Amino acid sequence: TQLLEQSPQFLSIQEGENLTVYCNSSSVFSSLQWYRQEPGEGPVLLVTVVTGGEVKKLKRLTFQFGDARKDSSLHITAAQPGDTGLYLCAGVKAAGNKLTFGGGTRVLVKP
Amino acid sequence: EAGVTQSPTHLIKTRGQQATLRCSPISGHTSVYWYQQALGLGLQFLLWYDEGEERNRGNFPPRFSGRQFPNYSSELNVNALELEDSALYLCASSFREGYGYTFGSGTRLTVV
Repeated sequence: TQLLEQSPQFLSIQEGENLTVYCNSSSVFSSLQWYRQEPGEGPVLLVTVVTGGEVKKLKRLTFQFGDARKDSSLHITAAQPGDTGLYLCAGVKAAGNKLTFGGGTRVLVKP
Repeated sequence: EAGVTQSPTHLIKTRGQQATLRCSPISGHTSVYWYQQALGLGLQFLLWYDEGEERNRGNFPPRFSGRQFPNYSSELNVNALELEDSALYLCASSFREGYGYTFGSGTRLTVV
């Protein structure tokens, strides 16, 4: 069982549609990060959220950290083919702990 | 500014052999992390080095080991390779604990 569960595992949508990816856990995290990984590359950090209830926007991407700091979501508005990739959430439970990754959500945006 | 660099990009080894993977962090970053990513799966934590010391270790057998050098670069060694060790090995560095990680492009290890 993964400490961080991501859903869905795979998402295929048409260009212009919206999508939401979820990252859930029964554990509390001091911070949560979202990464995007493209084939043949390492993950690239998109955002870090640290405060319960925090919402961060990055152009068409909106990230939310749950009030209890156990879950997070990533919402993409008007998805574009360039948004295609593997989206990974990752969390740190406490200072001195490693960054633990979820299993990832593979997103495919068709033109 | 140069990113995290990993070498080699691809490595093919025979079962039972040893593999050595290398990582150079971003200048100024003292922490180096190693992750294993099997095909299509999430990242599994291997090792964390900071200031030359091993800070944390994931649930991997002792044949996975590594070290960090005085210049903060790092090496991951995998002994007695098994077919299941075939994966993308990613190295990341961070300025300090709690900051976001910057990943390299990885070393694709294939064990045949």
